[in-house]
Parts: sequence; C-alpha cells; structure tokens
Amino acid sequence: ETGVTQTPRHLVMGMTNKKSLKCEQHLGHNAMYWYKQSAKKPLELMFVYSLEERVENNSVPSRFSPECPNSSHLFLHLHTLQPEDSALYLCASSPLRSSYNEQFFGPGTRLTVL
Amino acid sequence: DAKTTQPPSMDCAEGRAANLPCNHSTISGNEYVYWYRQIHSQGPQYIIHGLKNNETNEMASLIITEDRKSSTLILPHATLRDTAVYYCIVRPLIYSGGGADGLTFGKGTHLIIQP
Repeated sequence: ETGVTQTPRHLVMGMTNKKSLKCEQHLGHNAMYWYKQSAKKPLELMFVYSLEERVENNSVPSRFSPECPNSSHLFLHLHTLQPEDSALYLCASSPLRSSYNEQFFGPGTRLTVL
Repeated sequence: DAKTTQPPSMDCAEGRAANLPCNHSTISGNEYVYWYRQIHSQGPQYIIHGLKNNETNEMASLIITEDRKSSTLILPHATLRDTAVYYCIVRPLIYSGGGADGLTFGKGTHLIIQP
C-alpha cells in the first residue's frame, strides 16, 4: 500500500469517448503529478500541481485536462483521444519543499484507446 | 536535470550483491543523485538519494565517487523480487514552481535476478 490510489486500474475507450482518471493520496502531501508511460519509452511528466495550483504543463495536448479540486485528489479528464495515447498513466504525490524530495507513485491506470 | 547514463540491462544471481552503475558527468554542485525502481506494471518506488557522502538505508546502499561524476546503487542480497527497472536521476534539492518539481526519467537499467 503506497498511500496513492488510482482508479480505474484499466480503461478501454473509443476515440470519441470522454472519461476521467482519478488519483487519491492519503499521505497529507501538497504536490501531485501526472506522468505518462508509453510502451518502450521513458516516463514523461505531464502536469504538476502545488497546493492545488498547476505549476507545470509539459506541452501536453489539450485533449488531456487535469483537475485538482483539493490536495488529496487529482483527476485527468480525457476526450477525443488518439490510439497513440494508449499508455500507463501514473499519479504521484510528494510533500512540498521536503528535504527528501521523494515522490510516491500510485499503481497507474492502463489506458487503451481504440 | 543533468543527464545520466545507465546500462540497459544487467543480470545478477539471487543472494548476491547487485551493483548498478550510473554516470552523471555533468552533475552540478547542488544536484542530488536519486534512485527509483519500477517493478513490472507498477508505479516507480523511491529507493535512496545522496549528495556526496555514501548513504545506506533498509533497501540499498548508494556509493558516490569523490568527483561525483558517477555512482553505484548496491542491493546487498538480491532476491527475485528485486527484478525491476532501476532509474538513476540527478536533480537539485531546490524548487521552482511553487515547491514541486517533476522527475525526469531515462530508460534505466533492467535488472534481472536469476534464481
């Protein structure tokens, strides 16, 4: 149990669907992150939230829309995705300005876009 | 983040020490060395980090050369459960953007523990 949960664990969607990925952390952290891991590619940072404000957006297409309603929850809203968006989407959290700078990852959501 | 270089894969016998190298020749004075690992189909897991002194915790030891241009992660008694991709990351312990910075992952080393 890492303290970071993600739902659903698996998701299959068509290109015209709208779906959302959910992340919840129970660690009292104030920073949350979305990463994408495509097949045979390194993990890529997508979004960073600090105290519920987005502080980094790594040139992610607008078909991915993050939302952080509070410090414990992070969503990734998906719409009109492409098959190449199929990947493992990982959420992470961390304390702010901690001396360890350790990020805690969830198990990920395996997304398949048909 | 400074660039790191790791071998793509390594084998190690179960029960032996696994030594995973990482080159980070362009590391800056304020950058730490972090190690994470990712077991198949799971999220990455933090292992250890250090600046210039050797570090040890319950999972592993980290040996950083005196010039800080390379480091070695040591798993003292590898088990089958240590089979994973190990990532070496260098980054400063100062923050931009509100106190939170994402991690930049490379391809890592796929460590395979052989029974």
